[in-house]
Amino acid sequence: KAGVTQTPRYLIKTRGQQVTLSCSPISGHRSVSWYQQTPGQGLQFLFEYFSETQRNKGNFPGRFSGRQFSNSRSEMNVSTLELGDSALYLCASSLPAGAYEQYFGPGTRLTVT
Amino acid sequence: AQSVAQPEDQVNVAEGNPLTVKCTYSVSGNPYLFWYVQYPNRGLQFLLKYITGDNLVKGSYGFEAEFNKSQTSFHLKKPSALVSDSALYFCAVRQNAGNMLTFGGGTRLMVKP
Repeated sequence: KAGVTQTPRYLIKTRGQQVTLSCSPISGHRSVSWYQQTPGQGLQFLFEYFSETQRNKGNFPGRFSGRQFSNSRSEMNVSTLELGDSALYLCASSLPAGAYEQYFGPGTRLTVT
Repeated sequence: AQSVAQPEDQVNVAEGNPLTVKCTYSVSGNPYLFWYVQYPNRGLQFLLKYITGDNLVKGSYGFEAEFNKSQTSFHLKKPSALVSDSALYFCAVRQNAGNMLTFGGGTRLMVKP
């Protein structure tokens, strides 16, 4: 099976702009989670989607949003970018229930200038 | 609230020697515990998990981890380290429904020839 894919891999944006990141889960996986990784804060959970519904949400401002489509693909959007949003954004997919591990994509490296 | 602590920022070990990467957790209820590894410019790669059952869990690439409920620990171990094991290791805990993982700060493992 193909792994989790994320596009784009690298992105440079200017402060105040908005950005959309995309994630395609492993075939058959219906849960998609997003994480932010920064040197200062480490790995932090953003949100999880299952069956096109947000199931869990981390402690991030409303500028961070996401959605999931009927084919389980997910997008996350960050509006009004700030310098502190520069990070590696990781997407992970898993089976929706039970004690299943998550499988991570390679991430999108976002740089805000 | 759940939390994970990895008390060592870096662990240095000689190739061929045993290695241990420490992790302690705090969660109400039964924990689901995971170890992930991250190589440079890559996403996280699943190593192993503890859900229930035997306290010693075996995973990928010869790694294993020991769950200790009384000490709330889940240390990662390998009997004989390889230079190629050098990477960033993350311990994570999940509680209850959904796929929200809480990660430790990470431990950089350096294996020297």
